[in-house]
Amino acid sequence: NAGVTQTPKFQVLKTGQSMTLQCAQDMNHNSMYWYRQDPGMGLRLIYYSASEGTTDKGEVPNGYNVSRLNKREFSLRLESAAPSQTSVYFCASSDGPGYEQYFGPGTRLTVT
Amino acid sequence: QKEVEQNSGPLSVPEGAIASLNCTYSDRGSQSFFWYRQYSGKSPELIMFIYSNGDKEDGRFTAQLNKASQYVSLLIRDSQPSDSATYLCAPWDSSYKLIFGSGTRLLVRP
Repeated sequence: NAGVTQTPKFQVLKTGQSMTLQCAQDMNHNSMYWYRQDPGMGLRLIYYSASEGTTDKGEVPNGYNVSRLNKREFSLRLESAAPSQTSVYFCASSDGPGYEQYFGPGTRLTVT
Repeated sequence: QKEVEQNSGPLSVPEGAIASLNCTYSDRGSQSFFWYRQYSGKSPELIMFIYSNGDKEDGRFTAQLNKASQYVSLLIRDSQPSDSATYLCAPWDSSYKLIFGSGTRLLVRP
């Protein structure tokens, strides 16, 4: 089992460009999450999907959109990247709300 | 605003000592609590979770929970240099979202 995988691992964007971060899990988990982590800070929830077909905003959703493509895949889109979106992005999955979450390796994004 | 407070550290302990990591949280509705370890440049990995008041032991790790005081801690016995990392406390809030503290950096001196 690969667990939670994320692509790409690194990305550099110019201000205003768009991109999609991909996440997939092979643990048959119902719930999936996107977080960002800035230096010296904890993880902040961007969006989550409690189950296939549902998505909800987290703490910092502005500037992002998500798609729960199927039970395995959950993507995060930046429509018009801004320098404030420079961060490390982690995808996670869990059996459901309240259960332990397992994290992917992260995507390091720099917006210039 | 639901908050999770952790001392940022670094907490420095000698090899073989007990490291004590503390966390307080504001949401009285939180029912379950997770401790994650994060090495520099890596993703968080789950160490332990605890649901009930009291202590829960797993190998060298012991989690302690006091819901009345809104306090959760992690003890690491016989600390090793490989335990040097940032430890993140994360309670589930009452709307079933995981709220992360900013973490405590632990340094174990050989």
